[in-house]
Amino acid sequence: ETGVTQTPRHLVMGMTNKKSLKCEQHLGHNAMYWYKQSAKKPLELMFVYNFKEQTENNSVPSRFSPECPNSSHLFLHLHTLQPEDSALYLCASSQDGAGGETQYFGPGTRLLVL
Amino acid sequence: ILNVEQSPQSLHVQEGDSTNFTCSFPSSNFYALHWYRWETAKSPEALFVMTLNGDEKKKGRISATLNTKEGYSYLYIKGSQPEDSATYLCASLSTAGGTSYGKLTFGQGTILTVHP
Repeated sequence: ETGVTQTPRHLVMGMTNKKSLKCEQHLGHNAMYWYKQSAKKPLELMFVYNFKEQTENNSVPSRFSPECPNSSHLFLHLHTLQPEDSALYLCASSQDGAGGETQYFGPGTRLLVL
Repeated sequence: ILNVEQSPQSLHVQEGDSTNFTCSFPSSNFYALHWYRWETAKSPEALFVMTLNGDEKKKGRISATLNTKEGYSYLYIKGSQPEDSATYLCASLSTAGGTSYGKLTFGQGTILTVHP
């Protein structure tokens, strides 16, 4: 148990659906991250939030829309996704977003886009 | 080296064997190197964060070394146990403009299987 929870754990959606992934951390951290792992590819950073402000967008398509209402919660809103967006989406948090900090990961949401 | 590369991709060892694997990363503007352990259906778990050239860290039977000048890190597992079976990920962070904030770049991982 890392102190980072993600819901749902599994999600199947059609290309016209809108869904949201939720991440919550109980560690008192100020930085939160979304990562994507596609089949046979390395973990890839998508977004970084520090103190609720987005500090990194790694050229992610606009069909992925993050939201960070407070330091404990992070959402990833999904709309008009493509089958190639099927992947494991991981959330992580760290104390203040500095590179020398340990990141604590959630268990991920396995997304299948039909 | 432009990306983070890990070798080997997979490794099968017998219980009790010692093993090691490599992470290669860009040495320019280096800031930090992370190692994570990822068991199937679980969250990636942090093992080490290393920043200093020549640094060596140890956690139980697992240790890691860092060479920032040549851009590599080794992870060692002494006396492997079946519960060590997992994917071991490394990730590097380079600075830009003097800041340590930015993105971790992950390697593809080394899949370790320890047979009883």
